[in-house]
Amino acid sequence: GAVVSQHPSWVICKSGTSVKIECRSLDFQATTMFWYRQFPKQSLMLMATSNEGSKATYEQGVEKDKFLINHASLTLSTLTVTSAHPEDSSFYICSAAPGTSGSGTQYFGPGTRLLVL
Amino acid sequence: GDSVTQMEGPVTLSEEAFLTINCTYTATGYPSLFWYVQYPGEGLQLLLKATKADDKGSNKGFEATYRKETTSFHLEKGSVQVSDSAVYFCALTPITAGNTPLVFGKGTRLSVIA
Repeated sequence: GAVVSQHPSWVICKSGTSVKIECRSLDFQATTMFWYRQFPKQSLMLMATSNEGSKATYEQGVEKDKFLINHASLTLSTLTVTSAHPEDSSFYICSAAPGTSGSGTQYFGPGTRLLVL
Repeated sequence: GDSVTQMEGPVTLSEEAFLTINCTYTATGYPSLFWYVQYPGEGLQLLLKATKADDKGSNKGFEATYRKETTSFHLEKGSVQVSDSAVYFCALTPITAGNTPLVFGKGTRLSVIA
């Protein structure tokens, strides 16, 4: 149980295009989903926290107009990288927290590798 | 703010060697503590966790004990295998009324050679 999927797993796009990444909790409801970014051989950097039905909370330094997050349902959150540029190339990982109990457990998706040419 | 410090890698071990990856934390209150593992090209998988002092998390031969007195959560395995080669992340989350993001350490890369 507790499976989180991401789609696509790989995406290559031209500079200036927008890319949408989906994060789904397959067998549980996720009130909260988190989006992280990981550079090669580095740790995960939290980008934003999204709660179902409300606006995402972005970390300092993350452009909310560039990284649009929509948490439309209890099983789906999307991250759209608008007008992508080569510096946006990275590994994007989402995680989902079941319920609202704050137990701390989160389940991670397999990640989406974005390459902007 | 809350933070996690891990020993820096890479760590290279021979198969069947004993593994210790040190992790210490700084947090207010009593956070939950986690070890996540990331295999090459993949996302993170929860390896084990502990939610209160003196709890021991264990999975797949790995163990870690929540030590409040030393604010530590060191990861250990008695006999590593080549398949354990991965990056290991220590993380914490504070206990709150809602869901909060994880605070990660920088990760420790483990390479096990046959």
